[in-house]
Amino acid sequence: EAGVVQSPRYKIIEKKQPVAFWCNPISGHNTLYWYRQNLGQGPELLIRYENEEAVDDSQLPKDRFSAERLKGVDSTLKIQPAELGDSAVYLCASSLIGAGAIYFGEGSWLTVV
Amino acid sequence: QQPVQSPQAVILREGEDAVINCSSSKALYSVHWYRQKHGEAPVFLMILLKGGEQKGHEKISASFNEKKQQSSLYLTASQLSYSGTYFCGTEIGNTPLVFGKGTRLSVIA
Repeated sequence: EAGVVQSPRYKIIEKKQPVAFWCNPISGHNTLYWYRQNLGQGPELLIRYENEEAVDDSQLPKDRFSAERLKGVDSTLKIQPAELGDSAVYLCASSLIGAGAIYFGEGSWLTVV
Repeated sequence: QQPVQSPQAVILREGEDAVINCSSSKALYSVHWYRQKHGEAPVFLMILLKGGEQKGHEKISASFNEKKQQSSLYLTASQLSYSGTYFCGTEIGNTPLVFGKGTRLSVIA
């Protein structure tokens, strides 16, 4: 069974440019997460979806970040405009509601120059 | 509330044992443990629910002390493949999982 798939794997952009990341969760997983991981740190939750509904987005910087999960499957995370401090790995993860274990994708490595 | 992990880093020789601790200032509902190798995704190891249970995964096991609000991960007879950064994640009530800063484990031959 395929795991969580993310793209692009790597992205280098200039500051003030937009960027978008895409995620396809494990089939059947109704909960989807976007995390940001800075170098040497643990993952930090940006937003969590249960099906199509964003149930926790308190850590999402809404002035420049947006996310959507149409039809309760794939999701996109957008940053516009990007800032130097946004350089990080953006991890998508999925799980079954109430199941506990979270399964991560390999991440999208963003460098803003 | 981010859990606190200790130690921050540890170096072991193959076959040695290690303990990684994860503590919280608040009562925990559950503790998750993940391992991340450089450049890869975090991989789920195990989850412990409140009740003081202990779980095992090959030669890696963990305990959860609800009273002390902490969990410990035990790595027995370490192998080179155990190298990586170990993260604990904690749940308090209905709040989403919050990860610690990680413990970097290096196993050398």
